[in-house]
Amino acid sequence: NAGVMQNPRHLVRRRGQEARLRCSPMKGHSHVYWYRQLPEEGLKFMVYLQKENIIDESGMPKERFSAEFPKEGPSILRIQQVVRGDSAAYFCASSPPGARVYNEQFFGPGTRLTVL
Amino acid sequence: SQQGEEDPQALSIQEGENATMNCSYKTSINNLQWYRQNSGRGLVHLILIRSNEREKHSGRLRVTLDTSKKSSSLLITASRAADTASYFCATDGGSGGSNYKLTFGKGTLLTVNP
Repeated sequence: NAGVMQNPRHLVRRRGQEARLRCSPMKGHSHVYWYRQLPEEGLKFMVYLQKENIIDESGMPKERFSAEFPKEGPSILRIQQVVRGDSAAYFCASSPPGARVYNEQFFGPGTRLTVL
Repeated sequence: SQQGEEDPQALSIQEGENATMNCSYKTSINNLQWYRQNSGRGLVHLILIRSNEREKHSGRLRVTLDTSKKSSSLLITASRAADTASYFCATDGGSGGSNYKLTFGKGTLLTVNP
């Protein structure tokens, strides 16, 4: 059973370009979470999604950032018009259905975004 | 200080010694989880302890939870060089909060010298 997959692992963008980060949850997992880790910091929650639904996006910047988890395919975190401050590691995590109380989240390897 | 804050920030020990890391948090929780992150890599889930549990073991890991003090400790026994990594505790939102929204501290950087 493959773990959480993220691609690309490294992404370089110039200021003003768009960044698309993909996440495939573990097989059988229907909950996806995105976190951001700035250098020397812990992970910060961004958004929680279930299939075709955004449950909580309270940690995501209001502008330029969006996330989706379509019925088919991976979850996508999209950053438009990137700025240098967006440079960070973006981690995706997933958990199985029914994990409302014991919320063990399994993390992917992350995508390291560098904005030049 | 922030929810899920680890101390010490850095810990250097010799192989074979035990390593103890602590985590403090502010609000009530449902669960507390410990993760390991090797340099530049993803997070590996180590152990989850529920708010009604006081101690949990997994191999060379021992986690304790004291909800009255809002603190947890992670003990790694008989450390190995391969244990060198950053260790994070993560708490959820607790009663009335979002139990899916994990809050991480800045981590403890553990270095195990061969």
